[in-house]
Amino acid sequence: YVLTQPPSLSVAPGLTAAITCGGDNIGSKSVHWYQQRPGQAPLLVVFDGSDRPSGIPERVSGSNSGNTATLTISRVEAGDEADYYCQVWDSTNNHRVFGGGTTLTVL
Amino acid sequence: QVQLQESGPGLVKASETLSLTCSVSGGSVRGYFWSWIRQPPGKALEWIGYIYYTGSTTYSPSLKSRVTMSVDTSKNQFSLNLASVTAADTAVYYCARDGYLSSVDRWGRGTLVTVTS
Repeated sequence: YVLTQPPSLSVAPGLTAAITCGGDNIGSKSVHWYQQRPGQAPLLVVFDGSDRPSGIPERVSGSNSGNTATLTISRVEAGDEADYYCQVWDSTNNHRVFGGGTTLTVL
Repeated sequence: QVQLQESGPGLVKASETLSLTCSVSGGSVRGYFWSWIRQPPGKALEWIGYIYYTGSTTYSPSLKSRVTMSVDTSKNQFSLNLASVTAADTAVYYCARDGYLSSVDRWGRGTLVTVTS
């Protein structure tokens, strides 16, 4: 199972970033998103498509339908600059799969 | 707050076995799945496999011929062995806890392992 993400996205401060994750019928799967700042371990920011762990701000949201899952970050700040990875569980092969990652640059 | 800490050699010779241990503090290994995930320099995350606290394991299809994981509930630790390493196994190795619906909700800080010739 393959997850496809755009390699990079640039957004001006205060605007909205939409990071996509494509996969075959991904809307039927639980999708999770991770933020990885430079030199740090990943951090879970959205689980099961649209739920946020404690401590993640409301301006971070997720959606999942059809063949695309989307992580949306509203009112983008400099601190949002990071790599973002989507992830699902491939039940056919009993295997956790990560997308290739998207580097978000705040202009 | 559960914390995870990887430990082990930072350099491993090609063809030898990479061995890492993850120590869990602030919580128990009991009741959870525990994963190893790696990230080659400048590349994406790659799941290696996981182990349940009972010792049951599931490995990535691409690595399963070389991977062995174990857990020691008395020490609150779990371990990774990766045999016959090559330069392609050079990466930051993370230990992590599996959460709801196969998310990963806790991560160690990661440890860089470099394979030397």
